Amino acid sequence: DGGITQSPKYLFRKEGQNVTLSCEQNLNHDAMYWYRQDPGQGLRLIYYSQIVNDFQKGDIAEGYSVSREKKESFPLTVTSAQKNPTAFYLCASSTEGNTEAFFGQGTRLTVV
Amino acid sequence: SQQGEEDPQALSIQEGENATMNCSYKTSINNLQWYRQNSGRGLVHLILIRSNEREKHSGRLRVTLDTSKKSSSLLITASRAADTASYFCATGANSKLTFGKGITLSVRP
Repeated sequence: DGGITQSPKYLFRKEGQNVTLSCEQNLNHDAMYWYRQDPGQGLRLIYYSQIVNDFQKGDIAEGYSVSREKKESFPLTVTSAQKNPTAFYLCASSTEGNTEAFFGQGTRLTVV
Repeated sequence: SQQGEEDPQALSIQEGENATMNCSYKTSINNLQWYRQNSGRGLVHLILIRSNEREKHSGRLRVTLDTSKKSSSLLITASRAADTASYFCATGANSKLTFGKGITLSVRP
């Protein structure tokens, strides 16, 4: 089955810790995205990548970091510098920028 | 910044009625897309309309795009209870997708 997989589904983080959210796709898509969703805020773009070994900041990149070492993988690290990390995080991929995006099922991160 | 702004924020209709949702945006786009999200899940792509297209249909969905007004509308005909979800417009430009805040649609049986 082709698709995009996010893990874990739920993640709890202690204040001051870094955590990494996984996103893997087997759709052979070049473009990958990370979004954050808060109630009433819609989706806000954190980082996006059009090609391996290259990525760009989105609208709310502060406190986050990414890597794109493989076409299939685009992990997101939520660092301790992110002051309000509790949110629903969504990863997506598309054949190229602007085109139809396929989403994972999301990771709900809670700071405890 | 969020490119698309949907209107209304919430919509409640009776099963069988049509649902119309609107989206306005601010800058030039390559395309405009509509997505659906069921509670707590990922988004699912519904339809894409390119900047040089004015109307597109897919099943019970009809989307229009007016680039002069920087606006789009999504019409769902003969709505069903299963259409209850949040709907988002997304603008494609500069190699990225930018989403609005979404519309909550409730279809009463």
